[in-house]
Amino acid sequence: EAGVVQSPRYKIIEKKQPVAFWCNPISGHNTLYWYLQNLGQGPELLIRYENEEAVDDSQLPKDRFSAERLKGVDSTLKIQPAELGDSAVYLCASSSGTSLETQYFGPGTRLLVL
Amino acid sequence: AQSVTQLDSQVPVFEEAPVELRCNYSSSVSVYLFWYVQYPNQGLQLLLKYLSGSTLVKGINGFEAEFNKSQTSFHLRKPSVHISDTAEYFCAVKPSLNTGNQFYFGTGTSLTVIP
Repeated sequence: EAGVVQSPRYKIIEKKQPVAFWCNPISGHNTLYWYLQNLGQGPELLIRYENEEAVDDSQLPKDRFSAERLKGVDSTLKIQPAELGDSAVYLCASSSGTSLETQYFGPGTRLLVL
Repeated sequence: AQSVTQLDSQVPVFEEAPVELRCNYSSSVSVYLFWYVQYPNQGLQLLLKYLSGSTLVKGINGFEAEFNKSQTSFHLRKPSVHISDTAEYFCAVKPSLNTGNQFYFGTGTSLTVIP
């Protein structure tokens, strides 16, 4: 069974440029998470989807960040425009949605904004 | 609200020595508890989890953790570490009631195993 797939693995952009990250969760997992991980910190939730519905986006900076999961499967996280402080690792995770299930993480996208 | 505290940001230990990584949590509801490991440039991988039952939980790679409800702790232990255990370790909690699938992570402990 394939794990959570993320692309790209690394991205370097100049500030004010747009950037997009893609995530394909484990097949059958209806819950999808996007996390932000700063250097030396634990993951912080940005947004959580149950199928195609964003059920928790309270930590998503909506002035520059957006996300979508149109068909309830893969998801895209976008930043426009990027700022220097957005440099971090963006992790995607998925779970099957029941309260006992754990999350399975992708390898992350490491973003560097210059 | 839930929060997780990992008191030790860095733990150096010699190879084959025992190690304990500490985790304390705060929650107004009962929780499930998890330990994840993150190797350089990789995503998080589940080490072990406590859902219910025996308070001593065994995980992969020889790790174990003990849930202590009175002390709200879930410390991770390994009796003899290897060089390959060098990584970042994260403790996490999740409300056990079906109020949402949100996980709360600690800030991590960097374990460095010294040859």
